[in-house]
Formats: sequence, C-alpha cells, structure tokens
Amino acid sequence: QQQVKQSPQSLIVQKGGISIINCAYENTAFDYFPWYQQFPGKGPALLIAIRPDVSEKKEGRFTISFNKSAKQFSLHIMDSQPGDSATYFCAAVNYGQNFVFGPGTRLSVLP
Amino acid sequence: KAGVTQTPRYLIKTRGQQVTLSCSPISGHRSVSWYQQTPGQGLQFLFEYFSETQRNKGNFPGRFSGRQFSNSRSEMNVSTLELGDSALYLCASSIGQVQETQYFGPGTRLLVL
Repeated sequence: QQQVKQSPQSLIVQKGGISIINCAYENTAFDYFPWYQQFPGKGPALLIAIRPDVSEKKEGRFTISFNKSAKQFSLHIMDSQPGDSATYFCAAVNYGQNFVFGPGTRLSVLP
Repeated sequence: KAGVTQTPRYLIKTRGQQVTLSCSPISGHRSVSWYQQTPGQGLQFLFEYFSETQRNKGNFPGRFSGRQFSNSRSEMNVSTLELGDSALYLCASSIGQVQETQYFGPGTRLLVL
C-alpha cells in the first residue's frame, strides 16, 4: 500500500529528445507528488511537484502529468539536455504521515 | 539561508563499531528525516523527528536510532555496524511535520569494512 513503483530503471535519450518517467501508487491517501533530481555526490533536490486535484503542471521544460483514476503520474522532460543527466525519484506524500520514494530512474542524455 | 548540513561527509568504520552522524536543518525547520540510500534499495526512510519527538519510523533494526535536540539539530546512531550498513545517509528537513517539501543535505557516505 505504501509502495511507489517507478519505471524505467534507466533511460538513455538523445539531446533534444523527450524523457518520460512513470510512477504508480496504490494508497489513495497520498495527497502530494513531488519529483526529485539527484546528481552524483549530491542529495536529492526538489524539481517539481503536483497535487491530485491538478492533471498537469509545467515548469519550464519539466511537466508532470497526473492521472488520479489510474493512480499514475509521470515526468516529462522536453528538449532534454546533457545537464539533465541525473537520477530522478518520484515520491508520494501522505501529509503528516510519511514520504515514500520510488526506486529511481537513471537518465543519461547523449550529446 | 544556509541549506541542510551534514557531518561528517565521509566515514570509514569497521564491523562492530558504532557511528554517530549529525544533521543541521535549515534555520526555522522543525522536522528532520533520515534516509538510507544504497544502489540496490534506493531511498529508504529511517525515521522522522519533529520537535524532539520521533514521529515516524521505517523498517530498520533497533541498531539504528536517532534523536533531535531543542535547536532542531539531529543525530542518528548506528551501533554494532555491519557490512550492509555501508550507504549514503541523507538528512532532510522541512518546516513542520512531514511536509510536502523536504530539503536534503549532501549526505554522509559511510563505508563499513
């Protein structure tokens, strides 16, 4: 119930392409869904987040799509750049209770 | 505002020893959470402290413990270290109780030999 599934485990994209990472959850009590970006040797940093009452949120080249009925959400990175190469974690938050992370996706953007 | 700081950044210990890691949250943040990150298991939640009280605890053995001080700084302790405890230990702070936005420190990389 507390698990967040994430796919793919790794992703290779050409520069300028679209990177898509998918996550799914079971617990309908989750009410906040952030995405974190982690570079080697660094802690995760918040990238973008969405609430379940919104179907899409866009910030620059990063977009979250949220499907409440399917209990799925995804991160789209448009015009992917080599500097986007990092590990991406989706998470689901049950406010005041817990913070559950997906297993992560290692993204490599080829120049 | 200074970010979350963790000390030490790197640590080498041997099996059976104990270790204490320290975390200073962002000024004004009262919640501190600890995570263990390994290549095989990803980010695993250890525990969360809010106002010096442990609010939530993950599925880790009792060798893992923590505490939070009145200034919100937190420490975690691992006793009787095992090889499998080698990991990056991350601390994250947020303003209140488990909030939407957690800000992570750079982590302490522990190697157990």
